[in-house]
Amino acid sequence: GAVVSQHPSRVICKSGTSVKIECRSLDFQATTMFWYRQFPKKSLMLMATSNEGSKATYEQGVEKDKFLINHASLTLSTLTVTSAHPEDSSFYICSARSAGGNIQYFGAGTRLSVL
Amino acid sequence: GESVGLHLPTLSVQEGDNSIINCAYSNSASDYFIWYKQESGKGPQFIIDIRSNMDKRQGQRVTVLLNKTVKHLSLQIAATQPGDSAVYFCAEPLFRFTGGGNKLTFGTGTQLKVEL
Repeated sequence: GAVVSQHPSRVICKSGTSVKIECRSLDFQATTMFWYRQFPKKSLMLMATSNEGSKATYEQGVEKDKFLINHASLTLSTLTVTSAHPEDSSFYICSARSAGGNIQYFGAGTRLSVL
Repeated sequence: GESVGLHLPTLSVQEGDNSIINCAYSNSASDYFIWYKQESGKGPQFIIDIRSNMDKRQGQRVTVLLNKTVKHLSLQIAATQPGDSAVYFCAEPLFRFTGGGNKLTFGTGTQLKVEL
């Protein structure tokens, strides 16, 4: 099956710092990548959709200047949480989908804790 | 054990029993569904999918049933094992004309607990 690698798996940072999370498709070309946020015992909440080489599309209520997304290649997308605050603490998950594919393959997630 | 109704948060089954996890959808035009399994602290893992031209699809120990008349699908796990303990989500790709095509809409999820 398709493999998506997400790094780091866990990060603890101080309030006001920025954190970058990487999402890589290891064995397929991901024309589209997605970034989700998940609160405890809740479903996944889509934050943004990114297509390789173009600007990301953010869901309503998600601050694009706060959550910077870059999808510079067909195998890598990054999410940068800028000036992180404790309320940004959450589980962030990426997924990737190949061109024409319906199935999204997910990374293992990143647990972000902002002190 | 069998879960009934919408958005049942937890389903407890005995090891070795069959599990049935239910999901309802509202759009009669929906034509494709995916089941994911999410273990604690991990990302969702693809289990099985089904298209609307099928009523049933089988995988390894899992079967998905689709009832288009009542807009309901279920995931059946045979001989449930401790490793099956996880949250199970049904998901449906919804096409959008802008912003990258299909967006996955997830159900609330059902926590499956396997009792020894």
